[in-house]
Amino acid sequence: AQSVSQHNHHVILSEAASLELGCNYSYGGTVNLFWYVQYPGQHLQLLLKYFSGDPLVKGIKGFEAEFIKSKFSFNLRKPSVQWSDTAEYFCAVWAGNNRKLIWGLGTSLAVNP
Amino acid sequence: NAGVTQTPKFRVLKTGQSMTLLCAQDMNHEYMYWYRQDPGMGLRLIHYSVGEGTTAKGEVPDGYNVSRLKKQNFLLGLESAAPSQTSVYFCASSYGTSRPEQYFGPGTRLTVT
Repeated sequence: AQSVSQHNHHVILSEAASLELGCNYSYGGTVNLFWYVQYPGQHLQLLLKYFSGDPLVKGIKGFEAEFIKSKFSFNLRKPSVQWSDTAEYFCAVWAGNNRKLIWGLGTSLAVNP
Repeated sequence: NAGVTQTPKFRVLKTGQSMTLLCAQDMNHEYMYWYRQDPGMGLRLIHYSVGEGTTAKGEVPDGYNVSRLKKQNFLLGLESAAPSQTSVYFCASSYGTSRPEQYFGPGTRLTVT
């Protein structure tokens, strides 16, 4: 069965630290990949997406993610986090003929000022 | 352009009561989804629809029913509410297979006592 794994459940960083959140998926075919962000008390918003082409994709608010097909990974990165990046981050995969996204369990990021 | 809207925003039910949550989207999206979000469990798909008049079960459909009589609306019903259905419910929509990124509504916080 297809699945998405987010390795870090809780991450605590200080402002200006660099961020990398891991996401791995299990599916051997073509995939579309997504990162969503959920700020406290809010709904999920699309952060960035990968469909094809350049495996390094840039999203909003200085986030980027790299698709590494050989590792089935789509890790999220930001060079310097801010307090306002405190949120929950979800990785999701659209694969095959599922007609639905497969979601990771999320990573809670807390950034200390 | 309101995007995805949900009503109500908050609701408290007693065990055994029924209610309907309404999701509406004005983006002409084909696909619509209902999720529930509980602490530590990520997003779990309840039901989804790939077009007007169609519905399908997700991973946690028991105790819920849905209807998609109009393309822009997706209703989620609880026939006999149980405390285990206390959760935050999110509706999402997307164009479909060619553009699978989902757009979320603001959520409904439901408490069943």
